[in-house]
Amino acid sequence: DAKTTQPPSMDCAEGRAANLPCNHSTISGNEYVYWYRQIHSQGPQYIIHGLKNNETNEMASLIITEDRKSSTLILPHATLRDTAVYYCIVVPGGTSYGKLTFGQGTILTVHP
Amino acid sequence: DAMVIQNPRYQVTQFGKPVTLSCSQTLNHNVMYWYQQKSSQAPKLLFHYYDKDFNNEADTPDNFQSRRPNTSFCFLDIRSPGLGDAAMYLCATSPHQGTGNYNEQFFGPGTRLTVL
Repeated sequence: DAKTTQPPSMDCAEGRAANLPCNHSTISGNEYVYWYRQIHSQGPQYIIHGLKNNETNEMASLIITEDRKSSTLILPHATLRDTAVYYCIVVPGGTSYGKLTFGQGTILTVHP
Repeated sequence: DAMVIQNPRYQVTQFGKPVTLSCSQTLNHNVMYWYQQKSSQAPKLLFHYYDKDFNNEADTPDNFQSRRPNTSFCFLDIRSPGLGDAAMYLCATSPHQGTGNYNEQFFGPGTRLTVL
């Protein structure tokens, strides 16, 4: 599975956009990029995923570069409740169910 | 609401004393997972069930076993807990291909295990 690299920590002001980068330079053609987050003392929570195209849902947007070697998760208006560890995970396609290999993630702290 | 439930939320056991953690789900998902998360580390997959088929990760110690008596319930048994097994244990579920986003896993709140 492709390995991901994320900055260990980031800060963001409340109400501003949080842009979390992820490098996955060894990603292969059928592998998806998934983002999860884990708020303190809770289980991880799915946010969004993509293959090639940019994606948006009610939680976030995912921007994937054209060469697919990196991506950015965007929380458009960060709130204090978005303080969490954010995991970028590359998941192989073509399987009947998923297995997640978590890296160290990015600790996002949203300040008032 | 459909959900993944883990009981208890906090479990204390003694060194070497067997302990069982439980997980139940109302999502009717085919796949159930157990993860171990040690302090300040990322979750690490121990094993998973696809229906009744058990799949162990290569580096999961033999001390860890699992049972899935039916679709709704899954148990994690630690036969002889050591101090190094103190961790948060997370249960998750997912649908299989064709029934939804099969890489979207739904996690329970976890059970924090303390070994004295």
